[in-house]
Amino acid sequence: AQSVTQPDIHITVSEGASLELRCNYSYGATPYLFWYVQSPGQGLQLLLKYFSGDTLVQGIKGFEAEFKRSQSSFNLRKPSVHWSDAAEYFCAVVPVYSSASKIIFGSGTRLSIRP
Amino acid sequence: ETGVTQTPRHLVMGMTNKKSLKCEQHLGHNAMYWYKQSAKKPLELMFVYNFKEQTENNSVPSRFSPECPNSSHLFLHLHTLQPEDSALYLCASSQLSGGDTGELFFGEGSRLTVL
Repeated sequence: AQSVTQPDIHITVSEGASLELRCNYSYGATPYLFWYVQSPGQGLQLLLKYFSGDTLVQGIKGFEAEFKRSQSSFNLRKPSVHWSDAAEYFCAVVPVYSSASKIIFGSGTRLSIRP
Repeated sequence: ETGVTQTPRHLVMGMTNKKSLKCEQHLGHNAMYWYKQSAKKPLELMFVYNFKEQTENNSVPSRFSPECPNSSHLFLHLHTLQPEDSALYLCASSQLSGGDTGELFFGEGSRLTVL
């Protein structure tokens, strides 16, 4: 069955430190890949997406993610986190040639920032 | 206004009340969604509307009744809810034709508390 795994439920990093959030998917073919962020009490906002081409994609707010086909991974990174990055982060996949109605979300990683 | 707007942002209701959640999108999309987000549980897709027609109902109890009068508006009518229905209800929209990228655009959510 198709699935998205975010192995880290909660991560705490110091402000200014680097960040990597992990995401692994299980799917027969390379799907469309997304990272969404949800600030407390808010909806989800798209950070970045991968459809094809360059495996390193840049997103908003200084985030980037790297697609690694051999590892079925799409990890999110930021070189230096800010206190405003504290939020819940969701990895998501959509089967290629499918539609947004088939999106599968991971269970999320909550990011806390240590002053 | 731009994006996806949800009202009310907060709602408290008794189990015998009838209330409605409203969602409006200003993105020209043709698909709209209701998601339920409960604490410590993954995002749950409830309903999908494509060109005003309901295309998915993920075994949602009949006490939740969606309505989509046009491609820009989506309602979720609530009646005789249970305390376990307390959650954040998220509306989203997407473009399901002309190159569906699988990307969802979310509103800020309606926080529902059932007493």
